[in-house]
Amino acid sequence: ETGVTQTPRHLVMGMTNKKSLKCEQHLGHNAMYWYKQSAKKPLELMFVYNFKEQTENNSVPSRFSPECPNSSHLFLHLHTLQPEDSALYLCASSQEGRWQGKNIQYFGAGTRLSVL
Amino acid sequence: AQTVTQSQPEMSVQEAETVTLSCTYDTSESDYYLFWYKQPPSRQMILVIRQEAYKQQNATENRFSVNFQKAAKSFSLKISDSQLGDAAMYFCAYTGYGNNNDMRFGAGTRLTVKP
Repeated sequence: ETGVTQTPRHLVMGMTNKKSLKCEQHLGHNAMYWYKQSAKKPLELMFVYNFKEQTENNSVPSRFSPECPNSSHLFLHLHTLQPEDSALYLCASSQEGRWQGKNIQYFGAGTRLSVL
Repeated sequence: AQTVTQSQPEMSVQEAETVTLSCTYDTSESDYYLFWYKQPPSRQMILVIRQEAYKQQNATENRFSVNFQKAAKSFSLKISDSQLGDAAMYFCAYTGYGNNNDMRFGAGTRLTVKP
């Protein structure tokens, strides 16, 4: 247990559904991240929040909408997804979002998302 | 853009033996960090080891050590006395030294440990 909790662990949704992924960290960190992990591909950084402000959006489609109400919680709202969005979505946190070499990222166990 | 390449999609090792996982990267920077992360079946990524590029000495963490060849842009992970619990996906990652550098990951190597 690294102090980063993601719920749900598994999610199956239709293309017209709206759902949300939740991430919570208990480490006192100020930065949180969303990554997409697809089979046989490198992890793709989606969003970065540093001190509750979004500092990175790596050309992610608008059907993914992040929300960071405070430094401990991060959400990923999903709407009208496509089957190719099926993947493992990982959340991570670090002391702060800059200087990522010095600030080690701690990961959650991910949400396995299947879009039908 | 920096890229990280792991050329071995799968590796296997006999329990108690040693295995080396390969990683190469491409960068024009002189200062940066390199990482090896482990992702067991529980899916939680765990940091195994970190290397700062300006340090000549190879990082070690118990049974895990790296062979960092800066000129060759190579960063391999050696696991000694392999244990069944070492079975996992291993990801090599790179991040630059500056304050706005995202971490970039390789595609991973799946390690199987045979009893």
